[in-house]
Amino acid sequence: QVQLVQSGAEVKKPGASVKVSCKASGYTFTSYGISWVRQAPGQGLEWMGWISAYNGNTNYAQKLQGRVTMTTDTSTSTAYMELRSLRSDDTAVYYCARLELGMDWFDPWGQGTLVTVSS
Amino acid sequence: DIVMTQTPLSLSVTPGQPASISCKSSQSLLHSDGKTYLYWYLQKPGQPPQLLIYEVSNRFSGVPDRFSGSGSGTDFTLKISRVEAEDVGVYYCMQSIQLPWTFGQGTKVEIK
Repeated sequence: QVQLVQSGAEVKKPGASVKVSCKASGYTFTSYGISWVRQAPGQGLEWMGWISAYNGNTNYAQKLQGRVTMTTDTSTSTAYMELRSLRSDDTAVYYCARLELGMDWFDPWGQGTLVTVSS
Repeated sequence: DIVMTQTPLSLSVTPGQPASISCKSSQSLLHSDGKTYLYWYLQKPGQPPQLLIYEVSNRFSGVPDRFSGSGSGTDFTLKISRVEAEDVGVYYCMQSIQLPWTFGQGTKVEIK
């Protein structure tokens, strides 16, 4: 079945970087995109951006421009999200989700990766 | 950014009774291609979100027919015809007509 499995929880200090992975299985990786959505503790959902696994095109939320980079490795069907210059308000669960290109829906979602930023 | 405003923010429903959630966008979600880019997701407790409805009114694969979506332009509604215990969680609307894609604040549905 279609599945996205994310890397484990991370604890980082302010100013550091984190790279979360999202391994896809059960479908043709390059036929879809991957979107990243985060959720701060007890809060709602925030869209971070997406990447096409077909050609590597990206779109990032402007508030994260310059700090976020999304990449894919088609040889391993894995997507990555790197966030730099971490701040305490970056503490959140980070989700990857398969993106139906041109349809803009997310399904399925990964299980989530908790990133804690604390000194 | 397009602001998505959901009401109510919480809802307590007796099993078997209907429920309705409103989502209003600050700009029209109708694209020149004729599609309206409005989606509904449900996040059950301790789980990632799951897609319920795409493009206003289309139920995603496997979604029970007690869920329905309607609306146009800037006003949208998700209805559950008869709430079941498994429907508890937080419901989010989302728009993708304009970057950045934005979600509503969420509506928490619980069972009485």
